[in-house]
Amino acid sequence: EAGVAQSPRYKIIEKRQSVAFWCNPISGHATLYWYQQILGQGPKLLIQFQNNGVVDDSQLPKDRFSAERLKGVDSTLKIQPAKLEDSAVYLCASSSSFVETQYFGPGTRLLVL
Amino acid sequence: QKEVEQNSGPLSVPEGAIASLNCTYSDRVSQSFFWYRQYSGKSPELIMSIYSNGDKEDGRFTAQLNKASQYVSLLIRDSQPSDSATYLCAVISPSGTYKYIFGTGTRLKVLA
Repeated sequence: EAGVAQSPRYKIIEKRQSVAFWCNPISGHATLYWYQQILGQGPKLLIQFQNNGVVDDSQLPKDRFSAERLKGVDSTLKIQPAKLEDSAVYLCASSSSFVETQYFGPGTRLLVL
Repeated sequence: QKEVEQNSGPLSVPEGAIASLNCTYSDRVSQSFFWYRQYSGKSPELIMSIYSNGDKEDGRFTAQLNKASQYVSLLIRDSQPSDSATYLCAVISPSGTYKYIFGTGTRLKVLA
C-alpha cells in the first residue's frame, strides 16, 4: 500500500513570495490533515478535512494560508505572502477516520529568507 | 495549561535500561491516546495506541493509561541506541470537533 505522498520535499523562497504544497493521501482515507512543525516543537494542526469538507481550521492563519481538497482526494496548502516565521516542516497526514491512526507523509521543508 | 504536556528532555538512559516517557492531558473526556516516534529529519510514525485504562504491551514497548489522573506513559524496555528519537504523545479530544492534539515531544537519548 502506497503511503502519503508530498511534494516538493524542500522549498526556499523569499519573504512575501507565495508557495504551494501538494499532498496525496493513502487511497481510501477520508480524513486529511495539514500540520506545521517548527524545529523543536510538536506538530501543530493547521487544517483537517473530512472528504472535501473542512472539519477544523481554527489554527490556520487565514489571512495568508489557504487549503483545499477538491474531489476529496489530493490537497494543496498555499501560503501567500510568506513570512520568515513560516519556516517550518509542513506535514500532511491521512487516516481512515478522525479517530484512527494518522499516517504521515515525508513533509515539505520550507525556508523563508 | 497546555492541552497535552510532555517534558522536552533530553532524557538520557544507558543501553539496556528502561526508558519512561510521560504525558499529561487537560481534557478529561479525551478518548484515544497515541505514541508516535519521530527520528531527526523524519516524519512521525505510530508506535502504539491505547484507549482504555491499564497497560498495553507490544514487544519492548508498554503504554500505560490512567484516565483518572489524566496521564499516559510509554515504557521502553531494553533500550537500544536505535530508540534515540523524539517521542510524541497525541490525544484525541472529543470536545467540539474531534481534535487530534500533539504534545511537544520528549527527546530520548540511549547511550551505548
